[in-house]
Amino acid sequence: KAGVTQTPRYLIKTRGQQVTLSCSPISGHRSVSWYQQTPGQGLQFLFEYFSETQRNKGNFPGRFSGRQFSNSRSEMNVSTLELGDSALYLCASTTGSGNTIYFGEGSWLTVV
Amino acid sequence: ILNVEQSPQSLHVQEGDSTNFTCSFPSSNFYALHWYRWETAKSPEALFVMTLNGDEKKKGRISATLNTKEGYSYLYIKGSQPEDSATYLCAFAGTASKLTFGTGTRLQVTL
Repeated sequence: KAGVTQTPRYLIKTRGQQVTLSCSPISGHRSVSWYQQTPGQGLQFLFEYFSETQRNKGNFPGRFSGRQFSNSRSEMNVSTLELGDSALYLCASTTGSGNTIYFGEGSWLTVV
Repeated sequence: ILNVEQSPQSLHVQEGDSTNFTCSFPSSNFYALHWYRWETAKSPEALFVMTLNGDEKKKGRISATLNTKEGYSYLYIKGSQPEDSATYLCAFAGTASKLTFGTGTRLQVTL
């Protein structure tokens, strides 16, 4: 059974640009969450989507957005990139019923 | 703001030593407590999901306990091996799928 797949794994963007990251959850999982880890910080919750609806949201500015498609795949978008957005972005999926939450390997974003 | 704390921040043990880490979390609005093992350049690996006060879970040489009334969980590793070297994260869940992570305990096991 395939795990959580994130693409791209590594990318470099310039300040002011926007970026889209993609996440394919484990088959059958309807909940997809996104987390950010910056140097020196723990994993910070961005948002969670369940059946194409945002169910939870963390404390991030509106430049961070996401969506989920009918096949449960999710994308997150960051607009007007800032240097501080350089981070590892992790996607996680679960059935949505409080069971184990599985993580992908992450997308490393560098903003220059 | 939820506060999830882990101690110690880092730990260096010899092969064969047993060790334990602590995770402290809010005792209110508790849904679950997750433990993860995270090696560099890999995805966090789920170890345990604990939901009931008094829960004890075991996976090989690793075990965990949970006290929701006082807001803490312990992770134990018996007979540490070099392959146990990783960062161990706990995460508090106030709902089914929103996790608040601690900053982790970095474990290094040497021969």
